[in-house]
Amino acid sequence: GESVGLHLPTLSVQEGDNSIINCAYSNSASDYFIWYKQESGKGPQFIIDIRSNMDKRQGQRVTVLLNKTVKHLSLQIAATQPGDSAVYFCAENPRGSNYKLTFGKGTLLTVNP
Amino acid sequence: DARVTQTPRHKVTEMGQEVTMRCQPILGHNTVFWYRQTMMQGLELLAYFRNRAPLDDSGMPKDRFSAEMPDATLATLKIQPSEPRDSAVYFCASGSDQQRPQHFGDGTRLSIL
Repeated sequence: GESVGLHLPTLSVQEGDNSIINCAYSNSASDYFIWYKQESGKGPQFIIDIRSNMDKRQGQRVTVLLNKTVKHLSLQIAATQPGDSAVYFCAENPRGSNYKLTFGKGTLLTVNP
Repeated sequence: DARVTQTPRHKVTEMGQEVTMRCQPILGHNTVFWYRQTMMQGLELLAYFRNRAPLDDSGMPKDRFSAEMPDATLATLKIQPSEPRDSAVYFCASGSDQQRPQHFGDGTRLSIL
């Protein structure tokens, strides 16, 4: 069936490096995508979103890239800091699904000082 | 910052007992979502509401789970009777028609003994 999945379950980077977290989606009807960050003991925290009519969107230290041709989504974090250590989830919202989000399994990002 | 508030944060009880989890969505948000998170299944959507009306509860075991919105400031998720397999973290999220990102509370960590 349609699903959202992640290429890398874990990612370890050095403080100050850039991080790239990838996500593959299979539902071509999805028109909205979100990245969430989840720290231990907390709920998912919204980071950045992108609509399917865009291929790039930037926030503070984060950039989301959307490649609809290969159904791929990525989150880039610049100058990664120890506070960025968390599980990152991508989620998609299929068009017409009435706000429903389908979440990927998550990637654990560890930032080494 | 406006936040989704969930109570209780932790709940430990014996199987067979009734469990009630509460959620106060962000003021002005008209969509409310209940999710369950486990290591095995990840984030699963249980039910969601728009303007206090249930839109979809297909992800929820109907025989023991029920979700309601008595008013715009309170959503409840009940389990009766509870079973050990219900042990998980339950998240509430809220959103609005104008702002698509869902914003999550910090969850209720439920343990059924």
